[in-house]
Amino acid sequence: EVQLVESGGGLVQPGGSLRLSCVASGLPFSFNSMNWVRQAPGKGLEWISYISMGSSSIYYADSVRGRFTISRENVKNSLYLEMNDLRDDDTAVYYCAAIGSISFYIDVWGKGTTVTVSS
Amino acid sequence: SYVVTQPPSVSVAPGQTATITCAGNIIESRSVHWHQQRPGQAPVLVVYDNVDRPSGIPERFSGSKSGNTATLTINRVEPGDEADYFCQVWIGGPDHPGVFGTGTRVTVL
Repeated sequence: EVQLVESGGGLVQPGGSLRLSCVASGLPFSFNSMNWVRQAPGKGLEWISYISMGSSSIYYADSVRGRFTISRENVKNSLYLEMNDLRDDDTAVYYCAAIGSISFYIDVWGKGTTVTVSS
Repeated sequence: SYVVTQPPSVSVAPGQTATITCAGNIIESRSVHWHQQRPGQAPVLVVYDNVDRPSGIPERFSGSKSGNTATLTINRVEPGDEADYFCQVWIGGPDHPGVFGTGTRVTVL
């Protein structure tokens, strides 16, 4: 079964840090580009970061650039998101998502992990 | 920035057809993909490359594109189709990995 499982979410104070992880199984992880997508409560989907198969290309949305860092370890089938200087508006469900096609569509989603930024 | 607009809501009776649009200047030059998100669940891909369906997605779901607008059509709507639907477009620039449409809530009456 193809699966992405996120972990690391939780409650953090404004200005704090968290590290999210995503472990993949059942798919050729090293041949997938990987992404983090978030969804604030009651809102739509926001694509916040992308990392290519070999980590040579990394993109960030304006809303997180300079505060978040995406990385991956192909030998561990793992994706990470280091989040610093967290703000109230970073509160969201964070989804790990895989792209396995040259058309760059997300074909596998994790179930998400919840990050709540609040004092 | 790239803006991709969808109608906020669509209501449809069971057995009828739901039509969801996705509009924006970027649409004409890119492939459009569609994701279904049932309440409390993660999204699921239902259409890719404008018109194709992943295995396991019913033929009732179909996609099309013309100019700056892509369309997801759900024929013979069932209660289980009640969900939010998002179109997705890849940008691939350092400032914008990709963009999602604003989302459409499909309500089955």
